[in-house]
Amino acid sequence: GDSVTQMEGPVTLSEEAFLTINCTYTATGYPSLFWYVQYPGEGLQLLLKATKADDKGSNKGFEATYRKETTSFHLEKGSVQVSDSAVYFCALTPSGNTPLVFGKGTRLSVIA
Amino acid sequence: DTGVSQDPRHKITKRGQNVTFRCDPISEHNRLYWYRQTLGQGPEFLTYFQNEAQLEKSRLLSDRFSAERPKGSFSTLEIQRTEQGDSAMYLCASSLAQLNTEAFFGQGTRLTVV
Repeated sequence: GDSVTQMEGPVTLSEEAFLTINCTYTATGYPSLFWYVQYPGEGLQLLLKATKADDKGSNKGFEATYRKETTSFHLEKGSVQVSDSAVYFCALTPSGNTPLVFGKGTRLSVIA
Repeated sequence: DTGVSQDPRHKITKRGQNVTFRCDPISEHNRLYWYRQTLGQGPEFLTYFQNEAQLEKSRLLSDRFSAERPKGSFSTLEIQRTEQGDSAMYLCASSLAQLNTEAFFGQGTRLTVV
């Protein structure tokens, strides 16, 4: 079945460091890909999405590119801030209009 | 509209008791989803509705679980004869029934079965 694999956390970075969180997926057909973020004490929020191969999603300085050839959707940010500390979830919908399939999540801690 | 709301936020129950959770979606959203999240894991899909119709149920959803959305607005998730393995965060989300649209999540109901 469809699945998402994320790099294990936790990830601890200093402020202004470069961030990469790896995400690969297995799906039949042409899934849509998402990154959701969960800040402490809050619900999951959509961070960015990409709906077809080579699309780049971006928001709040975060970026991810839909790579069909490597079945990947890695999350990157050039300079993290303390306020980026959260749990990040990679997810897919198999056909763009069906329930999300999530990875296990990666906890990011950014220290000043 | 303040987003997706879930009630209660926390529930502690004894093994064998029944519990019911409520989710109020964003008012114009016709899709409503239930997920379960355990510690260190991502949310796992349980079931979803489009308006009042239940379109899909995960095989994770045992016979002890039932969900309803009687008027296509709020939804309830009931767990009968709770077991310790049911302890988890239960998340509700809502969206429009459009391709690639964003799902908005509530803050969840944390269930502890003792």
